[in-house]
Amino acid sequence: DIQMTQSPSTLSASVGDRVTITCRASQSISIWLAWYQRKPGKAPKLLIYQASTLESGVPSRFSGTGSGTEFTLTISSLQPDDFATYYCQQYNSYSTWTFGQGTKVEIK
Amino acid sequence: VQLLESGGGLVQPGGSLRLSCAASGFSFLNYAMSWVRQPPGKGLEWVSSISGGGASTYYADSVKGRFTISRDNSKNMLSLQMNSLRAEDTAVYYCAKFRILSRDAFDIWGQGTMVTVSS
Repeated sequence: DIQMTQSPSTLSASVGDRVTITCRASQSISIWLAWYQRKPGKAPKLLIYQASTLESGVPSRFSGTGSGTEFTLTISSLQPDDFATYYCQQYNSYSTWTFGQGTKVEIK
Repeated sequence: VQLLESGGGLVQPGGSLRLSCAASGFSFLNYAMSWVRQPPGKGLEWVSSISGGGASTYYADSVKGRFTISRDNSKNMLSLQMNSLRAEDTAVYYCAKFRILSRDAFDIWGQGTMVTVSS
């Protein structure tokens, strides 16, 4: 099975900071990667799919890059609403879907 | 577009529970669907998926042989029958819709239903 590893596990940042989260796959997944935002008590929200395509309605300060085994999610200027936990997910396989362990973005 | 889960609760180890997810606002039969869970204090874990017509089903190794996913397209309903429940199955369970294809991200999620397995 494909394993997904995110880093860091926790990130402390201030409003206005540029934030980057990395996700690595145990084998190549081409561009079949999504990023989600998860806030306490709320359903996960799709931010990016196919590694770099922004979901409709998601602010343009979010961006995704990468292919193969290494991917990044960048928030260009962190806003108060962005403090949350972020998950990557691979969907290269047609029969298993795997999430990373999550990166919590905290207020510094 | 909305997904609404129900059926969660407290169950003893070894017991059974059936979760349901009512879909509305989209052509349900045209989309594959999934269940994803999040144990307390842990990350998201994919549990099971089913094709739009229901002919193809997929399970995580951790639930294979114990959980059964199904759908009733006439009622726009997704279900998860959970048998032989274990403490490690304790989690919030979400139903989620594939964005377009089954090789795709999940674009719509329900609010979740809590399952607690404890004696």
